[in-house]
Amino acid sequence: NAGVTQTPKFRILKIGQSMTLQCTQDMNHNYMYWYRQDPGMGLKLIYYSVGAGITDKGEVPNGYNVSRSTTEDFPLRLELAAPSQTSVYFCASSATVTSGNTIYFGEGSWLTVV
Amino acid sequence: QKEVEQDPGPLSVPEGAIVSLNCTYSNSAFQYFMWYRQYSRKGPELLMYTYSSGNKEDGRFTAQVDKSSKYISLFIRDSQPSDSATYLCAMSPMDSNYQLIWGAGTKLIIKP
Repeated sequence: NAGVTQTPKFRILKIGQSMTLQCTQDMNHNYMYWYRQDPGMGLKLIYYSVGAGITDKGEVPNGYNVSRSTTEDFPLRLELAAPSQTSVYFCASSATVTSGNTIYFGEGSWLTVV
Repeated sequence: QKEVEQDPGPLSVPEGAIVSLNCTYSNSAFQYFMWYRQYSRKGPELLMYTYSSGNKEDGRFTAQVDKSSKYISLFIRDSQPSDSATYLCAMSPMDSNYQLIWGAGTKLIIKP
């Protein structure tokens, strides 16, 4: 099992550009998440999904969009990139939603907006 | 004020030492507590999960929750260089991953 795979690993965007961070998991998990991690701050939930076709906003959804057309894939779209979106982005998945259930994270995508 | 506070470190200790990592929190409703370990340029991975108060032990790792003081701890015995990582605490008032509040992490360095 590859687990959770994110691409690209690193990307530099210009202000106003758009891009999609790809995420796929091979564990047949229903629950998927996108987080951002900024220096000195805890992980912040951007969007999550409870299954194919169902997504919902997390704590910091502004400037982002997601879709979940299949169980495996959960891409994150950045529209009109802004410097405030410079961050490390993590895609994750879990088998259930309960707190004790392990959240499996990808290796992260480092995004810089200049 | 952040809901969950962690000293960012770095905390540097010699190999074999007992390490104590801590988080304080302000929301008395938190009941579900987790510790994740994050190696450099990797995603976090779950180490320990504790519900409500008390201790939980798993090998060299012990998690403690003191709800009266709003304080949780992770102890690492016989620390190894491979334990060098950033340790994140996370907690939630409900049994739901959607509502996790994460600490910013403490960087731990174990010196051989």
